[in-house]
Amino acid sequence: QSALTQPASVSGSPGQSITISCTGTSSDVGGYNYVSWYQQYPGKVPKLMIYDVSERPSGVSHRFSGSKSGNTASLTISGLQAEDEADYYCSSYTSSATVVFGGGTKLTVL
Amino acid sequence: QVQLQESGPGPVKPSQTLSLTCSVSGGSIGSDGSYWTWIRQHPGKGLEWIGYIYYRGATYYNPSLKSRVTISQDSSKNQFSLKVRSVTAADTAVYYCARGDPYTSGSHIDYWGQGTLVTVSS
Repeated sequence: QSALTQPASVSGSPGQSITISCTGTSSDVGGYNYVSWYQQYPGKVPKLMIYDVSERPSGVSHRFSGSKSGNTASLTISGLQAEDEADYYCSSYTSSATVVFGGGTKLTVL
Repeated sequence: QVQLQESGPGPVKPSQTLSLTCSVSGGSIGSDGSYWTWIRQHPGKGLEWIGYIYYRGATYYNPSLKSRVTISQDSSKNQFSLKVRSVTAADTAVYYCARGDPYTSGSHIDYWGQGTLVTVSS
């Protein structure tokens, strides 16, 4: 299985909105509504931010939202804050009953 | 609240077998329907899904690692384990054990261990 494709980096200013894309195939992202997003600070454990494409776990800010169109999923962060600066990873369930991650995106808050 | 803790013997020499155990509390390995998962992260790199074991003992592996990896469970100890055979320096990584959500085929991780760095070096 090939890793999902994410941009290596994105950036935005405080208060702005940014979107991180995650592109797969019809065998993973496009075939199931099982896309998740994780936030990871350096040296820390990843944290689940979005699951099932657009669901937010309890405690995750409403500024984080997810969507999907075809084989591409997206994570949008609105009202960007300095604390959002982190690495973000998408993942998807696959037709082989496995899970595949994206390569990760480094978010810089300018 | 599910808690997971990785443990292992420390550095591994090339060509040997890497063995890690994950101790679980707050959840039942053998009966709660969870997907007990191993994930690794090479230094400075992204996350790589290794595989999971379903509570009934079925296993699913990353195709790129399948020939070298075995995940097993010990319900009596509420632990699950990872073995990676014939390791090289490319297997040096932080290894996480985690719980895949039981309601969506393990597709997302809701609980993580703290991770343990395994170094492969002669």
